[in-house]
Amino acid sequence: AQKITQTQPGMFVQEKEAVTLDCTYDTSDPSYGLFWYKQPSSGEMIFLIYQGSYDQQNATEGRYSLNFQKARKSANLVISASQLGDSAMYFCAMREGRFSSGSARQLTFGSGTQLTVLP
Amino acid sequence: GAGVSQSPSNKVTEKGKDVELRCDPISGHTALYWYRQSLGQGLEFLIYFQGNSAPDKSGLPSDRFSAERTGGSVSTLTIQRTQQEDSAVYLCASSLGTASYEQYFGPGTRLTVT
Repeated sequence: AQKITQTQPGMFVQEKEAVTLDCTYDTSDPSYGLFWYKQPSSGEMIFLIYQGSYDQQNATEGRYSLNFQKARKSANLVISASQLGDSAMYFCAMREGRFSSGSARQLTFGSGTQLTVLP
Repeated sequence: GAGVSQSPSNKVTEKGKDVELRCDPISGHTALYWYRQSLGQGLEFLIYFQGNSAPDKSGLPSDRFSAERTGGSVSTLTIQRTQQEDSAVYLCASSLGTASYEQYFGPGTRLTVT
């Protein structure tokens, strides 16, 4: 089974509008972390936001927020007030295991969503 | 400060040749990761180093792939007898350690096997 599923291969949004990128995950580990990365056409991976499995509040970073619904195993990224520079590939990723234990250190990535912001 | 650097940025090689890809992590970062990204796909974990511990090689796709990390800093990923399916972008990332959640990625090396 896929550990990270991103069902939207491509999304379009009008400049200045909000957009939600979907991500569902699958794990039996009670301790995990969820990440979103942005990959512009230049290729670098840019960290956007992180949500821990025990965090009570949804994570926010500027125009980015993570809609974390633990029971549904969903971690959608919300971008508010889209800008042309937001056009990029967006990846959801998960790390399983407690961070302090050093277990399962690597990230497992979804297949990504290509976001295009229209002027 | 300087980010993660990788060299070369592009590498074209003939099938059957060996290649070496280099990663220079952020100074002070003890954890180093290698990932592979095939065209239009997400990232696939290859190998992980943490300090002086034995590396986690669980993601290496075959014994043609190996990696080392010298002096707890620079890492080299070696692919022997390259195949066309090895063509991908190879990304390196580093982090402060296992307790740090943020991984900082380098620009990647685009490998093309002809």
